[in-house]
Amino acid sequence: GENVEQHPSTLSVQEGDSAVIKCTYSDSASNYFPWYKQELGKGPQLIIDIRSNVGEKKDQRIAVTLNKTAKHFSLHITETQPEDSAVYFCAAEDTGRRALTFGSGTRLQVQP
Amino acid sequence: EPEVTQTPSHQVTQMGQEVILRCVPISNHLYFYWYRQILGQKVEFLVSFYNNEISEKSEIFDDQFSVERPDGSNFTLKIRSTKLEDSAMYFCASSIVAGGKETQYFGPGTRLLVL
Repeated sequence: GENVEQHPSTLSVQEGDSAVIKCTYSDSASNYFPWYKQELGKGPQLIIDIRSNVGEKKDQRIAVTLNKTAKHFSLHITETQPEDSAVYFCAAEDTGRRALTFGSGTRLQVQP
Repeated sequence: EPEVTQTPSHQVTQMGQEVILRCVPISNHLYFYWYRQILGQKVEFLVSFYNNEISEKSEIFDDQFSVERPDGSNFTLKIRSTKLEDSAMYFCASSIVAGGKETQYFGPGTRLLVL
């Protein structure tokens, strides 16, 4: 089955700086890669996703890049704000079944 | 904006007891899921459900677990005889396929503590 590795496990940045979180996946047939933000006591909230027919997708301060050859994808947050502080999970859709395999999460702390 | 809702938010139970976790998926969604997250660990897939039957299940989803859509709005996860290791956050998710693309939306979770 799919295996997703995520780095770093924790990330601390100054407000206004950029943050980058990286994930690798094992199943070359995977085609869908969402990113979720989880705030304390809440469920994962979808913030952006990318499918394998594109290499990059942007939504305001958030962007995701995908390198299918290398089997890795990254989340980029620019101009970080304190409210960006949360745990971020990458995921990959298991081919052949309707299930997401999640990375281990990155705790992002944005220092004011 | 429509949301997935879950009840209860917290549940404490004794080992060996049965628990039922409830979810109300987004109304026009057709695919339903349960995931769990043991404290400090990854979110793990348990089961997917479509057209009133299980589509896929993971190795975690053994005979102690069952799912049901008892009416047009609720989707439930039952754990028949809870074990200490069932303590986790349980998330329900739902999705719809549009234009060949599917996106899963998660509920806020139920924190289950088995004593």
